[in-house]
Amino acid sequence: DTAVSQTPKYLVTQMGNDKSIKCEQNLGHDTMYWYKQDSKKFLKIMFSYNNKELIINETVPNRFSPKSPDKAHLNLHINSLELGDSAVYFCASSPIPQGGAVGELFFGEGSRLTVL
Amino acid sequence: GEDVEQSLFLSVREGDSSVINCTYTDSSSTYLYWYKQEPGAGLQLLTYIFSNMDMKQDQRLTVLLNKKDKHLSLRIADTQTGDSAIYFCAEGGYSTLTFGKGTMLLVSP
Repeated sequence: DTAVSQTPKYLVTQMGNDKSIKCEQNLGHDTMYWYKQDSKKFLKIMFSYNNKELIINETVPNRFSPKSPDKAHLNLHINSLELGDSAVYFCASSPIPQGGAVGELFFGEGSRLTVL
Repeated sequence: GEDVEQSLFLSVREGDSSVINCTYTDSSSTYLYWYKQEPGAGLQLLTYIFSNMDMKQDQRLTVLLNKKDKHLSLRIADTQTGDSAIYFCAEGGYSTLTFGKGTMLLVSP
């Protein structure tokens, strides 16, 4: 069983379209994340949810809207796609922080978004 | 703010040791991590070290932590072609991890 699963794995679309990426984790974790990895492999946090509540919202255009229907799911919806949105988007989850720090992050395999 | 720096590229020959270095800024980090990303895959935890430790060894992997200089290193002994990947250093805050830009390790036969 895949611990953190994302769909779709590949997404090719035209500028201006709206698209969604879904993420599900079966690890029973309370916290889920979206990270963006650009073409240079730089990995940046976008959002973090803890038990369906938004915890981190980095400087991300408001065209990006995360939605967490329950603590096992965190979906990412992107409106009016732009060329610069092309990247690999990673979902991750982690258990409750121990000793004042986030523990191990468990990553999905990534969703490669290409905007033409 | 938090910042994690790594060199971007390292090339070694099979059988040599590889050393990947990282510097971080948040002295309150409780844990420091090394993640590995193989082509087309997500990141996987390789090893981690608690901030009150100087060294951790796990089979071919040795992690050294110099807390005074905020310097972390990962040594891979007897590097194999299967070790070719991108290695990310990360520091653990309360709400998320901050990742370095990754070091691409290329192992040639």
